[in-house]
Amino acid sequence: NAGVTQTPKFRVLKTGQSMTLLCAQDMNHEYMYWYRQDPGMGLRLIHYSVGEGTTAKGEVPDGYNVSRLKKQNFLLGLESAAPSQTSVYFCASKFDGGSEFFGPGTRLTVL
Amino acid sequence: LAKTTQPISMDSYEGQEVNITCSHNNIATNDYITWYQQFPSQGPRFIIQGYKTKVTNEVASLFIPADRKSSTLSLPRVSLSDTAVYYCLVGDPWYSSASKIIFGSGTRLSIRP
Repeated sequence: NAGVTQTPKFRVLKTGQSMTLLCAQDMNHEYMYWYRQDPGMGLRLIHYSVGEGTTAKGEVPDGYNVSRLKKQNFLLGLESAAPSQTSVYFCASKFDGGSEFFGPGTRLTVL
Repeated sequence: LAKTTQPISMDSYEGQEVNITCSHNNIATNDYITWYQQFPSQGPRFIIQGYKTKVTNEVASLFIPADRKSSTLSLPRVSLSDTAVYYCLVGDPWYSSASKIIFGSGTRLSIRP
């Protein structure tokens, strides 16, 4: 039981490049979330999903897209990376009524 | 939307009991109070959750007064490994709109020998 895993762990992009972050969970959780955390700050919700095939916007969705084609996977895409998107990205999942389980994070730097 | 207020930082010593208080004046009837712990370079980890009165687990206790406008996370006999950022969250865990659950800046707890 791996819990929540994130791929990759680190990435450096140039401005304008695109990339996809993968989150996978093996706990059969319905809900999945993508957060970003800037230095010294709390987590801010980017997008979330309440089930396979559904997604919704969180606090800071601009510049990001997501997809939940399979229940266990939640993808976060950056179509045209900007330096303001330099951050640590955390994925989380949970059951309805439960607490969130977080992944180890992806550290992204956009030059 | 229940916003929370916590101290930015706290210091304590090994073996002491640490109490971190969170203010949430606008808590709604269906909201629960949840505390997470985050170590550097790691994702947050669930510590404890409660609705009212007192909840205790193997890690911590959570005290919630009758009006539920505040809560106190109590860590008994802290050690150096309890140095972390602690987040207080208020929200309805059964409500599908996750955007109602907000992470604040947390409390940075530093434990000294």
